Amino acid sequence: KQEVTQIPAALSVPEGENLVLNCSFTDSAIYNLQWFRQDPGKGLTSLLLIQSSQREQTSGRLNASLDKSSGRSTLYIAASQPGDSATYLCAVTGGFKTIFGAGTRLFVKA
Amino acid sequence: DADVTQTPRNRITKTGKRIMLECSQTKGHDRMYWYRQDPGLGLRLIYYSFDVKDINKGEISDGYSVSRQAQAKFSLSLESAIPNQTALYFCATSDSRTSPNEQFFGPGTRLTVL
Repeated sequence: KQEVTQIPAALSVPEGENLVLNCSFTDSAIYNLQWFRQDPGKGLTSLLLIQSSQREQTSGRLNASLDKSSGRSTLYIAASQPGDSATYLCAVTGGFKTIFGAGTRLFVKA
Repeated sequence: DADVTQTPRNRITKTGKRIMLECSQTKGHDRMYWYRQDPGLGLRLIYYSFDVKDINKGEISDGYSVSRQAQAKFSLSLESAIPNQTALYFCATSDSRTSPNEQFFGPGTRLTVL
């Protein structure tokens, strides 16, 4: 059974810092891995999707990597801003199901 | 206009009441999903539908039922609501024709069962 873990559960950083969020999964037989952003009381916004055949994806200040063999993905945020404060979720799709991590709650201090 | 909409956005109800949550999408996607989110936990899949005639149970389907009225509409029902069904409920869609099978989410419905 696929399990997805995100560490840390919460993170507070000063504005401008580069940071890394971690996601690990137990079953490497996946189709893709997706990173989402969730603002309080809001829905999920897709940030990046990495197919199983890819190693990384980039969008603006965000870079996501995928290492299937070790069951790990990282989301790198460059030059963090207060507007980046949110909960970041990773989700792994394999078979017909998508399994979500519990998320990392990020707070960027001005 | 939002591509995936959910109604209602907030609902407070009492134990034993029947509740229906509705989801509509204008993305033209064939696949639709219902998830619930509880504090400290990731989203968990309740039901999913790959087309109008294909509905499948997810991880936590007990106490819930669904109806796929059309390709664009997918409803979630709680026949007799109980307090531990208090949660944030999300509808999502995806397109099987798209290689990544990326999921797109609605804004969520916050349900409180007293």
